Amino acid sequence: AQTVTQSQPEMSVQEAETVTLSCTYDTSESNYYLFWYKQPPSRQMILVIRQEAYKQQNATENRFSVNFQKAAKSFSLKISDSQLGDTAMYFCAFMSITGTASKLTFGTGTRLQVTL
Amino acid sequence: DVKVTQSSRYLVKRTGEKVFLECVQDMDHENMFWYRQDPGLGLRLIYFSYDVKMKEKGDIPEGYSVSREKKERFSLILESASTNQTSMYLCASSLFRLAGGLGIYNTQYFGPGTRLTVL
Repeated sequence: AQTVTQSQPEMSVQEAETVTLSCTYDTSESNYYLFWYKQPPSRQMILVIRQEAYKQQNATENRFSVNFQKAAKSFSLKISDSQLGDTAMYFCAFMSITGTASKLTFGTGTRLQVTL
Repeated sequence: DVKVTQSSRYLVKRTGEKVFLECVQDMDHENMFWYRQDPGLGLRLIYFSYDVKMKEKGDIPEGYSVSREKKERFSLILESASTNQTSMYLCASSLFRLAGGLGIYNTQYFGPGTRLTVL
């Protein structure tokens, strides 16, 4: 079974600064997908960024980018130019591509507070 | 835009009651999922369905059942609610079903959640 670990329960960053959220995972599979989801106080879970394990290039979505280290099983999220609207819970998730459906395994989350 | 809706944002029930949580998606997705979210535990998969009338247990199915009679609707049922089922429940859906071990990428889209309190 896969496991996903987010070792930072809470983080804080000042507006306009850069912050990195860490995520490690454990799997014996060679091909899989990784995700970062954001859950603002409104509760709606929103996809931030996704990465296919077979792609060496790190995914980027505007101010969000990942540092994917497959050998180290690490998948960190970097948020540049942090904004107040980035305040949320961030979940790292692993998707196995075997089986009958695309199930996700989530980490326990990192609560990010962006301050003035 | 994909839309996943859940029947209630907040629900209060009494121990022993039968509880239905409904989820509807409007994008013809094949896969639907039910998670519960608890502080410090993240999201844990209860059940999922990859087709109408097809279902599989997730990581924590005990005390729950599901029903999928129509493609767009996936119901989570608590046969006899207990206080340890007080939680946030999230529904999600995704397109396509994995086949033959080939990786078919798909994203899960989530509903707004139902906060269930069992007294």
